[in-house]
Amino acid sequence: AQRVTQPEKLLSVFKGAPVELKCNYSYSGSPELFWYVQYSRQRLQLLLRHISRESIKGFTADLNKGETSFHLKKPFAQEEDSAMYYCALGSNYQLIWGAGTKLIIKP
Amino acid sequence: ETGVTQTPRHLVMGMTNKKSLKCEQHLGHNAMYWYKQSAKKPLELMFVYNFKEQTENNSVPSRFSPECPNSSHLFLHLHTLQPEDSALYLCASSQVGGGRNNEQFFGPGTRLTVL
Repeated sequence: AQRVTQPEKLLSVFKGAPVELKCNYSYSGSPELFWYVQYSRQRLQLLLRHISRESIKGFTADLNKGETSFHLKKPFAQEEDSAMYYCALGSNYQLIWGAGTKLIIKP
Repeated sequence: ETGVTQTPRHLVMGMTNKKSLKCEQHLGHNAMYWYKQSAKKPLELMFVYNFKEQTENNSVPSRFSPECPNSSHLFLHLHTLQPEDSALYLCASSQVGGGRNNEQFFGPGTRLTVL
């Protein structure tokens, strides 16, 4: 079955500390994975996608097919990173969503 | 206006009312989606339209009725809703095709409260 798992509902770290938001997936084909972010009072928006292999706002995510993971990382968290983060898997022109992780950056 | 717009932004309705949510995308996309976002629950895909044809209905109760008159507009007609239907309803659009699952662009949502 196709599934996306984000094991942490809430992650709280101090400003300047490293951040890692976990995402694991289950998919039989070649996966296309995304991270979306929803800041307070803003719409859900794409943060990055594995195909682009880019860094957005200091965040990176590497697809690890062996571990079926697509964890989101940032070396030094900033207060403006506080938001809800969703991992999503592309399948048949739809997205299969994880439950989301709420990231809180403490000053 | 650019991107994906949704109206109304807030809606309060009784269980016997009939109302409609509207979504419009100005991106030239060929697919549109309705999602339900409830507190403490994952994002739930409700309906998918590709090229104005409904391709997905994720066991959504019949009190929700979608309509896609053209590739730019999407409606969600509501009737005899229940209090548990209170949620944020999100519309999204994307350009599908070419074997890629392309980025979905979201509207701001309609905050629905059913009394």
